[in-house]
Amino acid sequence: DVKVTQSSRYLVKRTGEKVFLECVQDMDHENMFWYRQDPGLGLRLIYFSYDVKMKEKGDIPEGYSVSREKKERFSLILESASTNQTSMYLCASSSRDRGVQPQHFGDGTRLSIL
Amino acid sequence: SQKIEQNSEALNIQEGKTATLTCNYTNYSPAYLQWYRQDPGRGPVFLLLIRENEKEKRKERLKVTFDTTLKQSLFHITASQPADSATYLCAPMNTGFQKLVFGTGTRLLVSP
Repeated sequence: DVKVTQSSRYLVKRTGEKVFLECVQDMDHENMFWYRQDPGLGLRLIYFSYDVKMKEKGDIPEGYSVSREKKERFSLILESASTNQTSMYLCASSSRDRGVQPQHFGDGTRLSIL
Repeated sequence: SQKIEQNSEALNIQEGKTATLTCNYTNYSPAYLQWYRQDPGRGPVFLLLIRENEKEKRKERLKVTFDTTLKQSLFHITASQPADSATYLCAPMNTGFQKLVFGTGTRLLVSP
């Protein structure tokens, strides 16, 4: 079974701090994704990566950056945390095998910015 | 802009009945549509994928339909059980890179 592990389930940080959220997958997937999920807005794509050192902006990249130095690890960085970044953050991975492949999600990090 | 609509109100049904959830999309012509289940405090879990040239797809008690004319997908759970209580998300998808756009989900509550 695919396992996507997010480093923290809950995290509390202060406004202005630099915040790192880590995600590791164990299935050698090429594609990795970061989403945030807010009530009434659903899952929104922040950034994705289809290969090591490659990254693409999603629908809401402002205030975030990402890093993918190794295939299994995809980090989300909040450069200067703000209260409107309080949210549930979900990481996912998928294979680039032939055909459409499902995304496999971690259990999320609930981030609170005070 | 692309819009995906799922009923935001919770669907309450009795155990044993069939639950039907709706996903409508506009300004969009997806080639595929995926359905996921999400339990509270957990990440979404993939359930089913249907292609635009498939009218219907089944997996055990689950059935998904895809009507490209109506721009709608229906998700059915037959003989529902309390364990089916969760939020169900639809995610249409184009060809090319596997980037999904998710609906906001419908919460299903199955009472014993």
